[in-house]
Amino acid sequence: GNSVTQMEGPVTLSEEAFLTINCTYTATGYPSLFWYVQYPGEGLQLLLKATKADDKGSNKGFEATYRKETTSFHLEKGSVQVSDSAVYFCALSDSGGYQKVTFGTGTKLQVIP
Amino acid sequence: GAVVSQHPSRVICKSGTSVKIECRSLDFQATTMFWYRQFPKQSLMLMATSNEGSKATYEQGVEKDKFLINHASLTLSTLTVTSAHPEDSSFYICSAQPATGGAETQYFGPGTRLLVL
Repeated sequence: GNSVTQMEGPVTLSEEAFLTINCTYTATGYPSLFWYVQYPGEGLQLLLKATKADDKGSNKGFEATYRKETTSFHLEKGSVQVSDSAVYFCALSDSGGYQKVTFGTGTKLQVIP
Repeated sequence: GAVVSQHPSRVICKSGTSVKIECRSLDFQATTMFWYRQFPKQSLMLMATSNEGSKATYEQGVEKDKFLINHASLTLSTLTVTSAHPEDSSFYICSAQPATGGAETQYFGPGTRLLVL
């Protein structure tokens, strides 16, 4: 079955530091890949997505590239801010049909001033 | 953006009682709603999928008689944990998906924390 593995947190960074959160996946076929973010007290929000190999998803300074050869979708940001403190979930959905979403365990990011 | 609410945000109940959690899409019609469960430091596990006006589809290992799901309207789905026990304590999250759009159009609620004593 499908699975998503992402690095354990928490990750603590100083403001303006470079961020990488690793994510690898196992899936049959050609899944779509997502990063969701959950700010304290709020629901999950879609941060970015990529639907095919070599696609790069980007939003709010975050980027992730769909790497089929390494089955990875690492999240990066060049300069984090305190407001980026949240829990980040890597996820995938089956291509076509029902599109059930499989989530990773989440990585908590804390950015300190 | 689209908003999904859950009520209550947290609930404490005694073992053996039943608890109902509501999930509402506030500004769109959700033909499909999903219920997830999240244990500490674990990923969201899909429990069931409900389509408006039809029976929910449960994932393998989820007891349908224990976790009753009703999706009576295009803006409301409810999850009832029947005869709750301490092992049912968890964080329950719903998501709602409009008729048009795929997985990327799932909008998530803020979650409900259930503690069974």
